[in-house]
Amino acid sequence: GIQVEQSPPDLILQEGANSTLRCNFSDSVNNLQWFHQNPWGQLINLFYIPSGTKQNGRLSATTVATERYSLLYISSSQTTDSGVYFCAVEVPGGSEKLVFGKGTKLTVNP
Amino acid sequence: KAGVTQTPRYLIKTRGQQVTLSCSPISGHRSVSWYQQTPGQGLQFLFEYFSETQRNKGNFPGRFSGRQFSNSRSEMNVSTLELGDSALYLCASSFLNLGHSGNTIYFGEGSWLTVV
Repeated sequence: GIQVEQSPPDLILQEGANSTLRCNFSDSVNNLQWFHQNPWGQLINLFYIPSGTKQNGRLSATTVATERYSLLYISSSQTTDSGVYFCAVEVPGGSEKLVFGKGTKLTVNP
Repeated sequence: KAGVTQTPRYLIKTRGQQVTLSCSPISGHRSVSWYQQTPGQGLQFLFEYFSETQRNKGNFPGRFSGRQFSNSRSEMNVSTLELGDSALYLCASSFLNLGHSGNTIYFGEGSWLTVV
C-alpha cells in the first residue's frame, strides 16, 4: 500500500520563528490534506491540496504531485500553533480512505 | 453549520464488554469514515460508509463493525473489548461525489475509549 512519511518527527521553535514540515508519499494520490490535531484530539482541516500552492494567513502549503511531496509552511509561529500536524493522502480507486503519516509534533515556546 | 458530532466523548469499559460509538456527520454529508488512533499505530482506517453501504474496510478483526442509517448518522461497535482497543476513535464526513475524486474530509472531536 501507499506509504506516507513526514519529517521531522519533532520540532521545537521559539515564538516568531518560521518552519517547514514535509510529507513524502510513495504513489499517485487523488487527494492530500494537512491537519492539525489540537490538544483535545480533534483533527482540524488546514488544507485540501492535491497539487499547487494555497495560503491561509500565516500558513501555506505546496504539493508537487509529480515529485510526490507536499510542504506545510508556518510563518511567525505562535504558541497556539503547537500540536501535531498530519499529512493524509487519499489513494485512487473511488474510496475516501485516508492514509496518514505519523505526524510532526510541533512545540512553540514563548 | 454544525460540525461532525461524536458521542460519547469519553468512556471507560471493562475487558470483554462491548461498546457502541455514534457519529452525526455535517448536514448534507453522506460519506462517513471511522479511524482509530493509538500511540503505537498512529491513525488507522476502520471503515467507510456511503448511503448505508460499507464501501471500504480496514485491516481490523471482525469484532469491529459499523453501520450507517438513512439519515447518514453512523455507529461503530466493538465487541469483546481488549486492552489494546483503548484508543481515540475519530469519525469523519465528506460530501462525496461518486465518480469524482477529492473531497475535503472533516473530523469530529473523537471518542476516547479506555479499556481496563
